[in-house]
Amino acid sequence: NAGVTQTPKFRILKIGQSMTLQCTQDMNHNYMYWYRQDPGMGLKLIYYSVGAGITDKGEVPNGYNVSRSTTEDFPLRLELAAPSQTSVYFCASSWGLAGAGYNEQFFGPGTRLTVL
Amino acid sequence: QQQVKQSPQSLIVQKGGISIINCAYENTAFDYFPWYQQFPGKGPALLIAIRPDVSEKKEGRFTISFNKSAKQFSLHIMDSQPGDSATYFCAASIRAAGNKLTFGGGTRVLVKP
Repeated sequence: NAGVTQTPKFRILKIGQSMTLQCTQDMNHNYMYWYRQDPGMGLKLIYYSVGAGITDKGEVPNGYNVSRSTTEDFPLRLELAAPSQTSVYFCASSWGLAGAGYNEQFFGPGTRLTVL
Repeated sequence: QQQVKQSPQSLIVQKGGISIINCAYENTAFDYFPWYQQFPGKGPALLIAIRPDVSEKKEGRFTISFNKSAKQFSLHIMDSQPGDSATYFCAASIRAAGNKLTFGGGTRVLVKP
């Protein structure tokens, strides 16, 4: 199992450019999440999905879009990059079932994005 | 609005010592309280987690203490080792509402040999 994989690892964007951060999990998890981590801060939820075709906003969704067409993939789209979106982006997944042991979120290695 | 407050921001402990990190939450609907460990350049990884019907949980050298009435929980790292040097995050979620994690601000722990 590769777990949660993210591409690219690093990216530099110019203001106004767009890009898609890719996230794939091979654990057949129902729930997937996107978080951003600013330097020296905790992670904040951008968007999440409880299954294919179902997405919802988190705490900081402005400037981002997501889609979930398959169980495995959960891409994050930045349409008009702004310097405020400079951050490290983490994708995570979990089973989403109610029982004990199913709540753990598994995180990918992150994508470090700089907007200049 | 910061719903989970974590302290201290950083701490230095000698090898073999005890590291203690504290968190306080506001939302009484939270029912899952994990601690994550993050090494530089890596994603967070689950260390230990607790539900509010339990006051303490221990896994090896790591213990969570939970005080529901005070809306506080803490992580104790016993016999701290240099390999424990990392950033630790507390978090909280409502399992039935998407299990979305609300993170504390993090504590950078340095264990000196």
